[in-house]
Amino acid sequence: DARVTQTPRHKVTEMGQEVTMRCQPILGHNTVFWYRQTMMQGLELLAYFRNRAPLDDSGMPKDRFSAEMPDATLATLKIQPSEPRDSAVYFCASGTGMNTEAFFGQGTRLTVV
Amino acid sequence: GQSLEQPSEVTAVEGAIVQINCTYQTSGFYGLSWYQQHDGGAPTFLSYNALDGLEETGRFSSFLSRSDSYGYLLLQELQMKDSASYFCAGSNSNSGYALNFGKGTSLLVTP
Repeated sequence: DARVTQTPRHKVTEMGQEVTMRCQPILGHNTVFWYRQTMMQGLELLAYFRNRAPLDDSGMPKDRFSAEMPDATLATLKIQPSEPRDSAVYFCASGTGMNTEAFFGQGTRLTVV
Repeated sequence: GQSLEQPSEVTAVEGAIVQINCTYQTSGFYGLSWYQQHDGGAPTFLSYNALDGLEETGRFSSFLSRSDSYGYLLLQELQMKDSASYFCAGSNSNSGYALNFGKGTSLLVTP
């Protein structure tokens, strides 16, 4: 059963701490997205990779956020230092080609206190 | 990224038909997708339109008009389990076909 796997599912951390979220895309998928979801802003695109190369990270706060794909089976999203306003659900999704369909992981619910 | 507008809330009765509209910016527009998300869950893909016209998948249909920069999702024979948020999403050639989402429409199906 192919699916996108995200870890951790839940994370509570103190302000100022580093947070790393991980995503394993579906094998064979060449596009990976990171989204942040809040009630106020909805689903915001943070980063987008194709064939492990970053294509669009214009929605990501560069001073504290970073996204990488060290290999085809792992995507990471880091926040350093974390702030309470970063509290949200972070989704990873993967797909193929021109993205007729993106498959979402179950998300990481981040709470920064 | 692509800007997409959709109503924030819609309420309909079980068994009825509901249409959720979505308008988008045209610059670089490539195609329109629809996703469903239940509370506490992840978005799941419903349909995709790259060309004008209607795409039908069971009780759900999606329509696109490029000339009007407009699309809609049509849900027929509504069931209680259809209560969820529905998102339109646009892919844009100007940003490498990144998928940008509208803010979602919360659908409540009542008995």
